Amino acid sequence: DADVTQTPRNRITKTGKRIMLECSQTKGHDRMYWYRQDPGLGLRLIYYSFDVKDINKGEISDGYSVSRQAQAKFSLSLESAIPNQTALYFCATSDFLGGDTQYFGPGTRLTVL
Amino acid sequence: QKEVEQNSGPLSVPEGAIASLNCTYSDRGSQSFFWYRQYSGKSPELIMFIYSNGDKEDGRFTAQLNKASQYVSLLIRDSQPSDSATYLCAVTGNQFYFGTGTSLTVIP
Repeated sequence: DADVTQTPRNRITKTGKRIMLECSQTKGHDRMYWYRQDPGLGLRLIYYSFDVKDINKGEISDGYSVSRQAQAKFSLSLESAIPNQTALYFCATSDFLGGDTQYFGPGTRLTVL
Repeated sequence: QKEVEQNSGPLSVPEGAIASLNCTYSDRGSQSFFWYRQYSGKSPELIMFIYSNGDKEDGRFTAQLNKASQYVSLLIRDSQPSDSATYLCAVTGNQFYFGTGTSLTVIP
């Protein structure tokens, strides 16, 4: 089984809809991250969490919110989706004691019409 | 100025040659440096990390770090067609920053 899973893997939605992307990990890592990837722009950090009670904004947090429900679960929400949020979204985990190497989930391809 | 800069490429090398990928970063306080490989439509996967100045070798891959010049590179020896991918440089400072990646094509 994969160590970092994301659901759904693909999602098509309409402008204005609320969307939740979920991430779960079995690696036992304390740190979790959400990124989006757009062609030519690389990976950009949306939010990150160093433990259950810690949530931090990343480079591009506007229009997004997150919830760290447990050490193993980190969800990303788009409260009112817009077309420029169409992107490939990745969840990642890391362990401070492990040198903070990040391990990525398979990604969620989100299309907002 | 971006935190991490990479040439976008594309970089093309013949099979068996050495591919050289370069990355510069702006935060002198950066402590950890990573190279990831990403195939189209897939998630990034770690190739190697380096923390100290100098070279670090792992199989066909060598990472080089020069903190004074704020420069990190990845050399791929005996390049194979399966190495064709986008290579992402990442740096930890206050946050985790990725470069936009360099596209590498290894020509058989």
